[in-house]
Amino acid sequence: GQNIDQPTEMTATEGAIVQINCTYQTSGFNGLFWYQQHAGEAPTFLSYNVLDGLEEKGRFSSFLSRSKGYSYLLLKELQMKDSASYLCAAPGGYQKVTFGTGTKLQVIP
Amino acid sequence: IAGITQAPTSQILAAGRRMTLRCTQDMRHNAMYWYRQDLGLGLRLIHYSNTAGTTGKGEVPDGYSVSRANTDDFPLTLASAVPSQTSVYFCASSRISLAGGQPDTQYFGPGTRLTVL
Repeated sequence: GQNIDQPTEMTATEGAIVQINCTYQTSGFNGLFWYQQHAGEAPTFLSYNVLDGLEEKGRFSSFLSRSKGYSYLLLKELQMKDSASYLCAAPGGYQKVTFGTGTKLQVIP
Repeated sequence: IAGITQAPTSQILAAGRRMTLRCTQDMRHNAMYWYRQDLGLGLRLIHYSNTAGTTGKGEVPDGYSVSRANTDDFPLTLASAVPSQTSVYFCASSRISLAGGQPDTQYFGPGTRLTVL
């Protein structure tokens, strides 16, 4: 099966920048997803990288290197509402993804 | 209905009882999925369906069954619940990617919190 590795917890200060890393086993399928999940809620889609490089979407950016099986999510100008878990998901077979256990981000004043 | 819904929101169930968790989507997505989420283990795939009439086993299928009679509905049944099935269950759906097999973005329902005593 797919092995996905991401840090369990991170803490960052309001207004700062934080980078959440994710490593995964490469497979025959491309693409790396990032989801955000607030406590007690469902995961919501943040980004989907299919090709190598950086994709920017407002305060959030996501980077992918397919050959290295590496991705990161970059959050800028952190706000208190960004406190959540961030889930990395990589292809795990035909039409399926495997989710990492998530990185719990705490934003402090 | 807008998006994907699940019922019930939460349930306390006696061990040995049968329970069906309901999931309905109105996005006309072909693929649907059931996950369970447990602390420290993340989201784990139970069963999936790539199109109406077909289903497949995920990572943790034992003790669960699914059916996909139509595009919109994907119920999950616990035939005889056990305490280890205490978890939060999420249903999700996605389009079938035109790049055969390439996974597409999944959209999640609000979840069902199930406690088996």
